Amino acid sequence: NAGVTQTPKFRILKIGQSMTLQCTQDMNHNYMYWYRQDPGMGLKLIYYSVGAGITDKGEVPNGYNVSRSTTEDFPLRLELAAPSQTSVYFCASRLQGFYEQYFGPGTRLTVT
Amino acid sequence: TQLLEQSPQFLSIQEGENLTVYCNSSSVFSSLQWYRQEPGEGPVLLVTVVTGGEVKKLKRLTFQFGDARKDSSLHITAAQPGDTGLYLCAGAAGGGNKLTFGTGTQLKVEL
Repeated sequence: NAGVTQTPKFRILKIGQSMTLQCTQDMNHNYMYWYRQDPGMGLKLIYYSVGAGITDKGEVPNGYNVSRSTTEDFPLRLELAAPSQTSVYFCASRLQGFYEQYFGPGTRLTVT
Repeated sequence: TQLLEQSPQFLSIQEGENLTVYCNSSSVFSSLQWYRQEPGEGPVLLVTVVTGGEVKKLKRLTFQFGDARKDSSLHITAAQPGDTGLYLCAGAAGGGNKLTFGTGTQLKVEL
């Protein structure tokens, strides 16, 4: 199993550009999450999903959108990139009934 | 909004020393997890505690969940350079669909 994979690893965007961060898991987990992490800090939840077709906002959803058409994929969309969205983005997944979240390696995004 | 405050924020110690990291909140959590994160990687789960007063040991690491389930601590005995990393506590409330992460403790263990 590859676990949770994220692409790209790094990206530089200009203000106002848009992009999609990809996240895929092959563990058949029903729960998936998107977090952002600023330098040396904890993680803040952006959006999460409890299963295909179901998404909900987290703590910091403004400026982002998500979709969950399959169990495996949970892409995160930035429509109008702003410097405040410069961060490292982590995707995670979890199996219902279990506590542990499994994290991907992250995407480092810079908006200039 | 639930908040988890960790202390200290930074800790630099010599190999062989003991240390304790604290995770405090005014909110009650149904479970609490500790993760360790190394540079350039995602967090990796160390332990989950679910019962007030629970103590779990993982080799040189001892985790405790407060009686009221509002706080937790991580104690490392005889720290080693391999313990270096960012330690994060994370609490789940109610049904546990979402985790609230703490502010993080950056630990550096030097030879």
